[in-house]
Amino acid sequence: NAGVTQTPKFRVLKTGQSMTLLCAQDMNHEYMYWYRQDPGMGLRLIHYSVGEGTTAKGEVPDGYNVSRLKKQNFLLGLESAAPSQTSVYFCASSYSSASSTNSPLHFGNGTRLTVT
Amino acid sequence: RKEVEQDPGPFNVPEGATVAFNCTYSNSASQSFFWYRQDCRKEPKLLMSVYSSGNEDGRFTAQLNRASQYISLLIRDSKLSDSATYLCVVRNEYSGGYQKVTFGIGTKLQVIP
Repeated sequence: NAGVTQTPKFRVLKTGQSMTLLCAQDMNHEYMYWYRQDPGMGLRLIHYSVGEGTTAKGEVPDGYNVSRLKKQNFLLGLESAAPSQTSVYFCASSYSSASSTNSPLHFGNGTRLTVT
Repeated sequence: RKEVEQDPGPFNVPEGATVAFNCTYSNSASQSFFWYRQDCRKEPKLLMSVYSSGNEDGRFTAQLNRASQYISLLIRDSKLSDSATYLCVVRNEYSGGYQKVTFGIGTKLQVIP
């Protein structure tokens, strides 16, 4: 029973490098989200998706891109990493509001990214 | 005003104590409310949903006050294992299927032996 799986768990990048974070869920959830969590800031939404082939911007989308080619996967890309993107990144998924109005979010284990 | 506000704490309480956290939200039309627990360097995990009539799960009781726009979490007979950060979460749904899920900054609880 995997739930939400994120890879990698840790990564160190140099400024200007690119990388992709992968999120996979096996719960057939329609909605998927990418958050970042920084000390004193709480969880902030980067991008989200309401279904396969759709993506939308959250609160802090700049510097990130996403894709949802398959329902179970949601990829977060950093094209040119900056030190300000040092953070812990969490992926989450949930059922759509149409199927369950009180559906909670299920989170992956997180990715700790450091940009030097 | 922040959409979801919580006292970050920390709340330091002795084992066996009762502790309560409040959380206020700004959007009166918010539909769904949750409490999540987050342990240090771990992902948030759902503790409980919050229903209008209030709900209880063992030592944990959640209440929703729509008129005053706050939710609360009460923990009775605190255990050392309750030490964590408790996140207040509010979800709003808009036309077109857009959901906005907003997290509070979290309240840190430390239960002391």
